[in-house]
Amino acid sequence: KQEVTQIPAALSVPEGENLVLNCSFTDSAIYNLQWFRQDPGKGLTSLLLIQSSQREQTSGRLNASLDKSSGRSTLYIAASQPGDSATYLCAVPDTSGGSYIPTFGRGTSLIVHP
Amino acid sequence: DARVTQTPRHKVTEMGQEVTMRCQPILGHNTVFWYRQTMMQGLELLAYFRNRAPLDDSGMPKDRFSAEMPDATLATLKIQPSEPRDSAVYFCASGVTEQNQPQHFGDGTRLSIL
Repeated sequence: KQEVTQIPAALSVPEGENLVLNCSFTDSAIYNLQWFRQDPGKGLTSLLLIQSSQREQTSGRLNASLDKSSGRSTLYIAASQPGDSATYLCAVPDTSGGSYIPTFGRGTSLIVHP
Repeated sequence: DARVTQTPRHKVTEMGQEVTMRCQPILGHNTVFWYRQTMMQGLELLAYFRNRAPLDDSGMPKDRFSAEMPDATLATLKIQPSEPRDSAVYFCASGVTEQNQPQHFGDGTRLSIL
């Protein structure tokens, strides 16, 4: 059974810092890995999806990398802003039996203060 | 932008009452997920549909919960009878998972059982 761990659980940084959020998974036979953002009282918003054949994906100030062999993904946030404050979750679909049911990490709660 | 729509956004009711939550997935999406989110457990999968057929509901207490997709534009999650421990935020998500497309989440139903 896939297990997904996110470190750190919480992070508080001043505006402008470059950040690295970590996601690790136990079963490297993944189909893809997805990073989400969740704002308080809202649903999850997809940020980046990395297919198993890819090493990284970029969107604006966000860059996500994937190392299947080591079971790790990192989300890099450049020049952080207060608007980046949210909880960031990663999810990995379980491909056994073709189900594609995602397993989510518990998330990293990020606060960027001015 | 196409969105997953959930109703109601908030629900407060007394224990023992029936609760029905509704979800309109994005048109063209063939997979629908129901999740429950709590501080203690994080995001838990309750049910999963593909092409309107239920594929996995192992995470759902079957004595009181039921999930259906009467048509491609509507998914429902019912709790009968409701209990205080069912208090949580319930999310619906849709996607085309086999094509490496991201999941899209609704804003959730915040349920409080008194």
